[in-house]
Amino acid sequence: QKEVEQNSGPLSVPEGAIASLNCTYSDRGSQSFFWYRQYSGKSPELIMFIYSNGDKEDGRFTAQLNKASQYVSLLIRDSQPSDSATYLCAPQGTDSWGKLQFGAGTQVVVTP
Amino acid sequence: DTAVSQTPKYLVTQMGNDKSIKCEQNLGHDTMYWYKQDSKKFLKIMFSYNNKELIINETVPNRFSPKSPDKAHLNLHINSLELGDSAVYFCASSVVTTSYEQYFGPGTRLTVT
Repeated sequence: QKEVEQNSGPLSVPEGAIASLNCTYSDRGSQSFFWYRQYSGKSPELIMFIYSNGDKEDGRFTAQLNKASQYVSLLIRDSQPSDSATYLCAPQGTDSWGKLQFGAGTQVVVTP
Repeated sequence: DTAVSQTPKYLVTQMGNDKSIKCEQNLGHDTMYWYKQDSKKFLKIMFSYNNKELIINETVPNRFSPKSPDKAHLNLHINSLELGDSAVYFCASSVVTTSYEQYFGPGTRLTVT
């Protein structure tokens, strides 16, 4: 069983629509969750993090966390072509140093 | 202005050779990492150093040896390169004591022929 699961996509989203990305994780002890965006041929960059159950909004991005269901999601509102990228979900592990466990990512393609 | 830098950006070499990748961060972070991203885009941690001390050592072949001369630098040496080592290697850094947000370097694309 994979530790972090994401739909690989591609997730095709019309410009202006909402992109919804899902992530499930197996480590029940994970407390912190990160979403990274990776453009093709570039390095990952942090776009959101969430520690508490519920929603956290930052601009057009909303992260949602449900620890009981071991589920974290990312919503991108008013999707733009510049949002076309792969989005990596990364729960923090419960080992001493809290290493991040990256999912394989969901590719999002925003079509004009 | 560069936060996390890596050299070289591209590395093409033959099987059996030994090569090194260098990483430097000017963010004042305490912790640095090496990740490998394979052709399926799966990003997997290899090593992590905190203030020059090895703290994470995942199951990687012992042909891979990290070295941290100081907390701003983390190098990766690879002996006897194999075809399966072809990947993009990312260096990253974070301030462990305050957050686990990681800042990634631009990556080194290693191709073994």
